[in-house]
Amino acid sequence: QKEVEQDPGPLSVPEGAIVSLNCTYSNSAFQYFMWYRQYSRKGPELLMYTYSSGNKEDGRFTAQVDKSSKYISLFIRDSQPSDSATYLCAMSPNTNAGKSTFGDGTTLTVKP
Amino acid sequence: ETGVTQTPRHLVMGMTNKKSLKCEQHLGHNAMYWYKQSAKKPLELMFVYSLEERVENNSVPSRFSPECPNSSHLFLHLHTLQPEDSALYLCASSQVGGGWEYNEQFFGPGTRLTVL
Repeated sequence: QKEVEQDPGPLSVPEGAIVSLNCTYSNSAFQYFMWYRQYSRKGPELLMYTYSSGNKEDGRFTAQVDKSSKYISLFIRDSQPSDSATYLCAMSPNTNAGKSTFGDGTTLTVKP
Repeated sequence: ETGVTQTPRHLVMGMTNKKSLKCEQHLGHNAMYWYKQSAKKPLELMFVYSLEERVENNSVPSRFSPECPNSSHLFLHLHTLQPEDSALYLCASSQVGGGWEYNEQFFGPGTRLTVL
């Protein structure tokens, strides 16, 4: 069983929709939870990170962590065509990015 | 140049060739990484150079050989590769140490490698 499972997708939504991207994990040592966005022909870029449980908001993006359920989510409000990308969740037991375990990624397409 | 750059962006090689991938970071970071990204698989960490120490994933075959001559440059030497090694190879850098803030990794655009 993988340490990190990500909803496989692909996901296709109309512009303006609310998008929910989700990952589950099995390693209770994970403390840092990250979401990366990867556009076609580019490397991943960090969108947000959260330490421990709780919510974090940044503009149209909200990251949610529920450590009791070992479940994390990324919500995108008022989705735009420019949000079309592959989203990767990642988790780490400490601040060292090199210890991160990544999900497989979910490809999102937002149609105008 | 800014951020993390990688060359070449695309590479096609035969199984008997020897080639090298190059990565350069312009961020003043003290750690550099090689990752392999294959379709429908998670990012796989291959090698880390952090504070002049090398850490490697024991599952990476010996036909991949990293080199880090200084904190800004990282190479991945390739020889006698197999078709299953075809993938996107990503380089990243970060600043390790100091405080509780997460040490964000900055990724390059990757080298798309095809092994025939």
